[in-house]
Amino acid sequence: ETGVTQSPTHLIKTRGQQVTLRCSSQSGHNTVSWYQQALGQGPQFIFQYYREEENGRGNFPPRFSGLQFPNYSSELNVNALELDDSALYLCASSPGQNPTDTQYFGPGTRLTVL
Amino acid sequence: AQSVTQPDIHITVSEGASLELRCNYSYGATPYLFWYVQSPGQGLQLLLKYFSGDTLVQGIKGFEAEFKRSQSSFNLRKPSVHWSDAAEYFCAVGDRYNNNDMRFGAGTRLTVKP
Repeated sequence: ETGVTQSPTHLIKTRGQQVTLRCSSQSGHNTVSWYQQALGQGPQFIFQYYREEENGRGNFPPRFSGLQFPNYSSELNVNALELDDSALYLCASSPGQNPTDTQYFGPGTRLTVL
Repeated sequence: AQSVTQPDIHITVSEGASLELRCNYSYGATPYLFWYVQSPGQGLQLLLKYFSGDTLVQGIKGFEAEFKRSQSSFNLRKPSVHWSDAAEYFCAVGDRYNNNDMRFGAGTRLTVKP
């Protein structure tokens, strides 16, 4: 158990819809990162938040956005869903900004876009 | 930017046999290297990590990995595999100057035969 939880576990949406995925980090962890893991692939970095500010972004379009809240929870929002957005979405929390900090992953949200 | 290659998509070993999972990385300086394990329906769990110092790293669950700079490799080993080790294994490389840029390999699926 990493202490990182995600909701919902599974989600089915249709193309063009919007979705919000939620993550609850470990208490005291000020950094949260989101990853997209397509079937048969390794996770790909979407973006990272530190103390409620976006701190870095991978190669994902602006329709992927996020929020981080003071209570160690965060959201990933995806607008105008496309079929290729079907994937497992993982969040990971870590204490701070040190590259050596261990990231603790949640179990993920499986998103299916029809 | 850094990158990771895991040459083996799927490996099958017998219970009690030794295991070696291969990982090759590309990075301009001394990398931060990680091995994660993902069981079905679970998030990623950190097995071990290398930042500097001793190139042989011990991790959890009896795993170890050796950093070989000359071969740009960070192979994961275990002397005797247990049926519970069946899972997906991911090698990842982090950028020591950019703590949010972690790149994962595509993973190696391990099957353990009784």
